[in-house]
Amino acid sequence: AQSVSQHNHHVILSEAASLELGCNYSYGGTVNLFWYVQYPGQHLQLLLKYFSGDPLVKGIKGFEAEFIKSKFSFNLRKPSVQWSDTAEYFCAVNALRGSQGNLIFGKGTKLSVKP
Amino acid sequence: KAGVTQTPRYLIKTRGQQVTLSCSPISGHRSVSWYQQTPGQGLQFLFEYFSETQRNKGNFPGRFSGRQFSNSRSEMNVSTLELGDSALYLCASSNSDTSGRTESFFGPGTRLTVL
Repeated sequence: AQSVSQHNHHVILSEAASLELGCNYSYGGTVNLFWYVQYPGQHLQLLLKYFSGDPLVKGIKGFEAEFIKSKFSFNLRKPSVQWSDTAEYFCAVNALRGSQGNLIFGKGTKLSVKP
Repeated sequence: KAGVTQTPRYLIKTRGQQVTLSCSPISGHRSVSWYQQTPGQGLQFLFEYFSETQRNKGNFPGRFSGRQFSNSRSEMNVSTLELGDSALYLCASSNSDTSGRTESFFGPGTRLTVL
């Protein structure tokens, strides 16, 4: 069965620190990859997505992610975090065969940014 | 475009009752998926509807069911509620196209509490 692993349950950073959140998935076929963010009290919002092409994708609010096919990874990065980035971040995978619209999510990583 | 809307936003029910949740997708989106979000299990896929047909189903008991109408609005029903059904139920609509580039947009969710 497909699964998504996020390595960190809770990350605490100071403002201006760099961020990297790990995400690995298990599926041998072609996938779409996503990072979603859930700010406190708000609904899930798409940060960035990878369908194909350049493995380095840029999203909103200065976030980027790199798809490394050989490692089944899609790690999220931001060079300098802000207090407003405090939120929960979810990595998600959508396998392209027979499961369009079916996202498999990681357990999420809570990011707390200290001002 | 208006986003995904879900009603009601909050529900309190007692064990053994049943509940119906509603979701209106983004205009033009024909795929609607439902997810259950709990602190322990994270985000889990329930089912997906496309053009009034269930296209995918997650690993939930038969007490969880859904349907989609001709205008793409969807409902999910949970019968014989159990305490463990307390969760945030999220609806997502997507612009599923033939290229497989499916991007899901989430609603604010319905918070169900079972007493």
